[in-house]
Amino acid sequence: EAQVTQNPRYLITVTGKKLTVTCSQNMNHEYMSWYRQDPGLGLRQIYYSMNVEVTDKGDVPEGYKVSRKEKRNFPLILESPSPNQTSLYFCASSPDSSGSNQPQHFGDGTRLSIL
Amino acid sequence: KQEVTQIPAALSVPEGENLVLNCSFTDSAIYNLQWFRQDPGKGLTSLLLIQSSQREQTSGRLNASLDKSSGRSTLYIAASQPGDSATYLCAPRGGNQFYFGTGTSLTVIP
Repeated sequence: EAQVTQNPRYLITVTGKKLTVTCSQNMNHEYMSWYRQDPGLGLRQIYYSMNVEVTDKGDVPEGYKVSRKEKRNFPLILESPSPNQTSLYFCASSPDSSGSNQPQHFGDGTRLSIL
Repeated sequence: KQEVTQIPAALSVPEGENLVLNCSFTDSAIYNLQWFRQDPGKGLTSLLLIQSSQREQTSGRLNASLDKSSGRSTLYIAASQPGDSATYLCAPRGGNQFYFGTGTSLTVIP
C-alpha cells in the first residue's frame, strides 16, 4: 500500500532533550516536506527536499533540522526542543521535484508536546 | 509571501444541500492548487488537484474551480452527506513551496 509513515504518532518530552521524528515513503517520490499545524495558523511548511541531499527552508525553519540521505526517508530533528514547538507535525511527499502537477500525500501526523 | 484565506471558517448545513467553499490567495503565480479534507485527529486526504492551466476539476460530487488571475478557487460539494463533515483545506503551490489556508470546518446535519 502506498503510504507516508511517521513515527512516533505521539510524543511527550521535556525542554532541551533532542528528538527525531521519522518519515518514510514507499512511493519513490522525489519531493518530501515537513509541516506544523497550529490552531488559527493552519499548516506551515518547515523544510522541504526536492531530492536526495537537497533540502531547503520553508516558512518556519527555526529550531529544526532535516536530512535527506535516502530518497525514502526525511527525518525531522529538534536538537533542543522548546515549548513553542509543541504542535501537530505532518510529513508529505509528491512524485516530482519540478513545479508541476502531482498531488501531495500526507502521513497521519505526529502530536508533539514539549514540557 | 503567499497568503491564503478560506471563508467561511465554519459552516453547518442540513443533509442534501449543495454548498460552496471559498479559497483566495494573494499571489497568482501558482503551479496548481490542491483541495484536502482533514478529519479530526487524522492526516490530510487529497480531494482534487487543479492545474494552473485548468478552470475546473471534478471528482464525483466534488467540483473545484480556479480563477488564477483573481486569486480564487471554489470547492463545490453537491448533495452533501453527514460523511462530508470535516475540515477542508486549500493549498496553492508556488515554486517549490505549498501554502495552506486555515480551512473551513463543515458540519452536515442528518
